[in-house]
Amino acid sequence: EAQVTQNPRYLITVTGKKLTVTCSQNMNHEYMSWYRQDPGLGLRQIYYSMNVEVTDKGDVPEGYKVSRKEKRNFPLILESPSPNQTSLYFCASSFFGGMTDTQYFGPGTRLTVL
Amino acid sequence: GENVEQHPSTLSVQEGDSAVIKCTYSDSASNYFPWYKQELGKRPQLIIDIRSNVGEKKDQRIAVTLNKTAKHFSLHITETQPEDSAVYFCAAEVSGAGSYQLTFGKGTKLSVIP
Repeated sequence: EAQVTQNPRYLITVTGKKLTVTCSQNMNHEYMSWYRQDPGLGLRQIYYSMNVEVTDKGDVPEGYKVSRKEKRNFPLILESPSPNQTSLYFCASSFFGGMTDTQYFGPGTRLTVL
Repeated sequence: GENVEQHPSTLSVQEGDSAVIKCTYSDSASNYFPWYKQELGKRPQLIIDIRSNVGEKKDQRIAVTLNKTAKHFSLHITETQPEDSAVYFCAAEVSGAGSYQLTFGKGTKLSVIP
């Protein structure tokens, strides 16, 4: 089954404790992206990647890192999480950008930073 | 960067009536405009999209119109049904030179009253 998976789905952590949210897709997609969703703010793009070893900042990259060492995986790294990073995070993928193909979203990761 | 404004933020309609959601964007280089539906507790899913060389697109009860001169686009849902109740997001994508950045509106919560 074609899908985007994220792990963990729920995470409660404390300020400053490094964490990684994994994202994996099995559709051989070139393009992958991370969004955060906050009430009243919609979805905001954090980082995106056009291909292996190619990443670019989105609208809200501060406090986040990403890597794209393999085509199927695009982990989101919070080196020193803070409470304002409490949010619902979605990973998405498509063959290229949206002009070419639909973006498929993962199920979401709800992160709480205390 | 791109800025997408979406109105209204909430919308209630009687079952069978039509619903219209409007979005404006700021970057004239935007060339792809998808609409996503997000049901409670679920991931966003693409329902319809339009590219900059097209003025209107329909898919059964859903239609999207685009006015590039005025930089606005709209979602029209006819004969609304209770299962149309969800949050709807518009988005605009600037693509080119190997970069694809997708900016979302803040969302419209649509309630269809039986």
